[in-house]
Amino acid sequence: GENVEQHPSTLSVQEGDSAVIKCTYSDSASNYFPWYKQELGKRPQLIIDIRSNVGEKKDQRIAVTLNKTAKHFSLHITETQPEDSAVYFCAASTNNNDMRFGAGTRLTVKP
Amino acid sequence: NAGVTQTPKFQVLKTGQSMTLQCAQDMNHNSMYWYRQDPGMGLRLIYYSASEGTTDKGEVPNGYNVSRLNKREFSLRLESAAPSQTSVYFCASTPSTGGYEQYFGPGTRLTVT
Repeated sequence: GENVEQHPSTLSVQEGDSAVIKCTYSDSASNYFPWYKQELGKRPQLIIDIRSNVGEKKDQRIAVTLNKTAKHFSLHITETQPEDSAVYFCAASTNNNDMRFGAGTRLTVKP
Repeated sequence: NAGVTQTPKFQVLKTGQSMTLQCAQDMNHNSMYWYRQDPGMGLRLIYYSASEGTTDKGEVPNGYNVSRLNKREFSLRLESAAPSQTSVYFCASTPSTGGYEQYFGPGTRLTVT
């Protein structure tokens, strides 16, 4: 089955700096790659997603890039703010229901 | 719309006890899922139901059973709880199978002593 690895496990940045989180996946059939944000004690919520026919997608300060050949995708957050502090999860899935999540990255944005 | 709801929010069980976690969604979604979340391990799929009347195993199904009661409700049962099942359990739903946003419930924090 699919295996998703996520790095780094923790990331600390200064407010205003950029943050990058990287994920790799193993199943070349995977075609949907969402990113979820989970604040402490809350449920995961989708922040951005990308499909395999697109190389990059942007939504305000958040962007995701996908390299299908290398089987990796990345989350980029620019101009970070303290409210960006949370755990971020990447995931990958095929057309079935087998979505696999990465282990998560704890992002801390220091004011 | 309430979205995805779960009961209970917290539960403490003794080893060997049984319980059922309830999940309901009011978004008319076809597919529903149960995940467990353990520190440092992300979310792992236990069981899912692609549509009413069907259920399938996910990544970590051992020790669990599920029932898709109707289109709205999907329950997870622990027949004989073990300390290794201490975790936070999330239910989720999507409009259909494949690449769609998963809408998560608020979670159930289960402790097995």
